[in-house]
Amino acid sequence: AQSVAQPEDQVNVAEGNPLTVKCTYSVSGNPYLFWYVQYPNRGLQFLLKYITGDNLVKGSYGFEAEFNKSQTSFHLKKPSALVSDSALYFCAVRDTYSGGGADGLTFGKGTHLIIQP
Amino acid sequence: NAGVTQTPKFRVLKTGQSMTLLCAQDMNHEYMYWYRQDPGMGLRLIHYSVGEGTTAKGEVPDGYNVSRLKKQNFLLGLESAAPSQTSVYFCASKERALSSYNEQFFGPGTRLTVL
Repeated sequence: AQSVAQPEDQVNVAEGNPLTVKCTYSVSGNPYLFWYVQYPNRGLQFLLKYITGDNLVKGSYGFEAEFNKSQTSFHLKKPSALVSDSALYFCAVRDTYSGGGADGLTFGKGTHLIIQP
Repeated sequence: NAGVTQTPKFRVLKTGQSMTLLCAQDMNHEYMYWYRQDPGMGLRLIHYSVGEGTTAKGEVPDGYNVSRLKKQNFLLGLESAAPSQTSVYFCASKERALSSYNEQFFGPGTRLTVL
């Protein structure tokens, strides 16, 4: 079975400071990892994904994430936070052993990111 | 392209009533999904479809039915609504090619309240 944990319900960061949103996962095989962002009253938007290769993945809006296999983590980062980054962030995983690629992702519970001016 | 659209955006039902949520996508995606989002619980998969005429159960399928009669549409039905089905419902779709790698595209959601 696959699972993902986002240990922080909320992260507060001052504008201009670096931000990190944490995510850890558990899979049987190798993971495919995703980050999505949800703005108020909107659907989820894809930010970035890790499939294989370079452990540092760059995505939309200046976000990046670092895959760490030994720590089973995929933390989302940004060097300088903007007030407009305030949103709900979801980490998601699927196991390479899951059949066919058809079934849905397993999502974390989400982390509210609040950027203070 | 409109992407993934959902109708209605909001709905209030009384316990025992039925309704159908419609999801439509114009990206020619093979795979479609229905999730529900509840506070503090993330998104949970209700049902999914790998193509026209096929559906499968997800993590929380009880109380819901689905149909995929056309490739571009995925319907979610509640036959007898219960207060526990109060939630925000999201539809998503994904390309089939290299499907394990592909991200899902989400609709804007339907906020359902069951009284």
